[in-house]
Amino acid sequence: QVQLVQSGAEVKKPGSSVKISCKASGGTLSNYGFSWVRQAPGQGLEWMGRIVPIFGLTRYAQKFHGRVTFSADRSTTTTYMEVDSLRSEDSAIYYCARDLHPDTLSLPPLDPWGQGTLVTVSS
Amino acid sequence: IVMTQSPLSLPVTPGESASISCRSNQSLVDGGHGTTSLDWYLQKPGQSPQLLIYAVSYRASGVPDRFSGSGSGTDFTLKISRVEAEDVGVYYCMQRIEFMCSFGQGTKLEIK
Repeated sequence: QVQLVQSGAEVKKPGSSVKISCKASGGTLSNYGFSWVRQAPGQGLEWMGRIVPIFGLTRYAQKFHGRVTFSADRSTTTTYMEVDSLRSEDSAIYYCARDLHPDTLSLPPLDPWGQGTLVTVSS
Repeated sequence: IVMTQSPLSLPVTPGESASISCRSNQSLVDGGHGTTSLDWYLQKPGQSPQLLIYAVSYRASGVPDRFSGSGSGTDFTLKISRVEAEDVGVYYCMQRIEFMCSFGQGTKLEIK
């Protein structure tokens, strides 16, 4: 059964960038999509967008378009999310989550989820 | 699409049932499959979210049958019968039509 293992916590300065990895252990990326979801301290869940590595397909929530980039390395079964121009409001836990099943007609439910990566933006 | 959950806080006595409502401001019938793209997730304290119910009423693998989902169009309900201590956490509904997602605000279930 695939597990998603994310990279460790990061502390960044405002204006810098952060790149988080999400490795699919126990499987390949295959034709699954991977979503990224963030959760600010004490707040709810916010979907940021999605990548389908086998097709090179990305989709970004409007709020993050232009400042967030998804990428993948199929040889290492790893997907990445990079956030540019960090500000304090970007301090959050960032989760990756895989499609429950591959689907080209619609966006599937999200399962499993990674353990989360805490990003702290502070001067 | 805006998802609105109620209540936001839900104190429950163990053994009793609990219901959470989720409403969307537009229909969640997905043109791709003709199914309704509404899921429920539970985030237990200190953990990542986990899928409970997908496509309105299908339980995810390993989810007890105490959890059930219902609804259609824009109104949906998650019901937990015989609440147990392990059910505490924040429950989120999520819509995923037109290849975009959005979550409800979350409902915090606590044990009385």
